[in-house]
Formats: sequence, structure tokens, C-alpha cells
Amino acid sequence: EVQLVQSEAEVKRPGESLKISCKGSGYSLPSYWIAWVRQVPGQGLEWMGVIYLSDSDTRYRPSFQGQVTISADKSTKTAYLQWSSLKASDTAIYYCARRKVATTYYDYWGQGTLVTVSS
Amino acid sequence: QSVLTQPPSVSGAPGQRVTISCTGSSSNIGAGYDVHWYQQLPGTAPKLLIYDNRNRPSGVPDRFSGSKSGTSASLAITGLQAEDEADYYCQSYDSSLSAPYVFGTGTKVIVL
Repeated sequence: EVQLVQSEAEVKRPGESLKISCKGSGYSLPSYWIAWVRQVPGQGLEWMGVIYLSDSDTRYRPSFQGQVTISADKSTKTAYLQWSSLKASDTAIYYCARRKVATTYYDYWGQGTLVTVSS
Repeated sequence: QSVLTQPPSVSGAPGQRVTISCTGSSSNIGAGYDVHWYQQLPGTAPKLLIYDNRNRPSGVPDRFSGSKSGTSASLAITGLQAEDEADYYCQSYDSSLSAPYVFGTGTKVIVL
């Protein structure tokens, strides 16, 4: 069974750093991209960026470039999303989602990680 | 601001049919890119409901169907059930954007 399991909810102060994770299981490594999708409470889905697990090729939505870093460890099939200095506006649920090469849809999603940034 | 526009909400009584539209443009749906649909039940992660315009993943009831024409796509739910009350998002690819994977604005389905 394919699963994407994300790290637990986090509560942070503005200016703090954070790295959340998304660990895949139940499938072999090649040919998959992992995307990060933001959902501010009560709002819609926003694609942030993506990483190809096999070679760590990474793409970002321009509004997130420089604001977050996406990385991966292919040996553990884990993708990461990190911030060096959180802002209150980063408060949201962050989902990871899997896309197979040569497709344009996300077939499996993680359960989401709620990040709350508050002073 | 999404490039795929959906109605904020649609509603129907149990057993009725409802449809959700997803309107794009010549750089996404109109360019021939496939449309996919996701269902997000309250408090849960999105789940793939329809892929490549009209295909259902294993386990998705055939009450859900998708179609695409021109610069728009639609999701239909027939025999509406209380458990279908959720948010629904369309998604496609846009060749004009540097963030090419785009989601619709989302539609809440309300079962009366």
C-alpha cells in the first residue's frame, strides 16, 4: 500500500527555523516527483514546488523561491520542506503529494502537517 | 489568484445530481492539458477523484464522472449522498506559468 506519512504539527515563533518531512513507502523510488502544497485554513490549495526523488531536481513557484527550501533523501524516500525564518503568514497546513513522471496529477497525498507561527 | 475558476458552492438534496464547473483558458485546459479532480472531506487531505478528465482511480464510486470541453471541465455527482459533502478542486497544467501545476478555486458541495 502506497503511503506518504508526514511529520507532526508544529508551533513556532516568528523568526524560528523549521524542517518538516514526508516519508514514502509501498512503492519503488524511480519516476516520482513529490510536491508540496500549501493550504491556509479556510482557503484553497496552492502548489509550492516539487522535487524529483531520484536526482533531487527541484522547481519552485516564484512566490516561494527563496522563502522555503525543498530537499530529499532518496535512500529513505523522504522529502523535506524547510524554512530558515518563519513568519506568521506561513501558518498553514502543508501537504506532500506524489506525481508519477509523464503524468500531471497527484495520486497519493500525505495527511498534512499543520504549522502554526505565533508570538 | 487561481487561473482555474470554480463556483464557491453547489448544493443538492440526497439522490440528486450536481455538477461543478472548472473554467480555464487557452494556456491550460484549452491547450489540451488534462483536468483532474480532488475531493477534500472536512479535516482531511485531498484525495484523487478523477484523473485525465474522466478516469476514476480504483475505489472511487461511478457516481462521480468527469468531462472536458474547450476551455472548461466539469465534475458530476449523481445520486448525491450525505458523505459527498466536501470541497472539490480541479487541477491542470498551465504552459504560461513558471508554477505550472494549478488548482481551481475550490467548490463546496452542500447536501441539503
